[in-house]
Amino acid sequence: DAKTTQPPSMDCAEGRAANLPCNHSTISGNEYVYWYRQIHSQGPQYIIHGLKNNETNEMASLIITEDRKSSTLILPHATLRDTAVYYCIVTGTYKYIFGTGTRLKVLA
Amino acid sequence: DAGITQSPRHKVTETGTPVTLRCHQTENHRYMYWYRQDPGHGLRLIHYSYGVKDTDKGEVSDGYSVSRSKTEDFLLTLESATSSQTSVYFCAIATSGDYEQYFGPGTRLTVT
Repeated sequence: DAKTTQPPSMDCAEGRAANLPCNHSTISGNEYVYWYRQIHSQGPQYIIHGLKNNETNEMASLIITEDRKSSTLILPHATLRDTAVYYCIVTGTYKYIFGTGTRLKVLA
Repeated sequence: DAGITQSPRHKVTETGTPVTLRCHQTENHRYMYWYRQDPGHGLRLIHYSYGVKDTDKGEVSDGYSVSRSKTEDFLLTLESATSSQTSVYFCAIATSGDYEQYFGPGTRLTVT
């Protein structure tokens, strides 16, 4: 079973920030939090990952709570092209267990 | 672009026939993976490889075998295809360091 819990779906208005939550209450000290997205039927695309600290790249920001039991992926200015399924994965190895993710729909 | 290609991209085959899917990478990454994805599900790991001739099972390995005789190619074989193996198959590679994976475009397999 996946080590993470995500809401099945969310909507976001175009141009607004999309905040996607993920619960991972059983995370271990050496496990990272990874985020991927899958647009339509394409292969999943890596977005960002973190261990303890908040992270930011050109695609998104990742906020990890101090106790590391949850995190939030932030897309600062969502566009229609951000409509996708977003997966949060916790792992400390080269093996992933995917859950069913959050289906984000960006509305015009 | 992690230089991953999958072939074929689409295939229709009959129950009981053998099928081999190929994943090819151009950047000599050590780790390679095969996943399947079915409607309403996330990706599920079938097999993975951590080097030439080094492979291991994932969550849903029954009915599948793999081979990796050279770094750049990872083959997934269905010895006798069944309708339950109708799925989209994704290959992935992992770069060294922080376990990031990069995925290929997928192969849509239909077993009739």
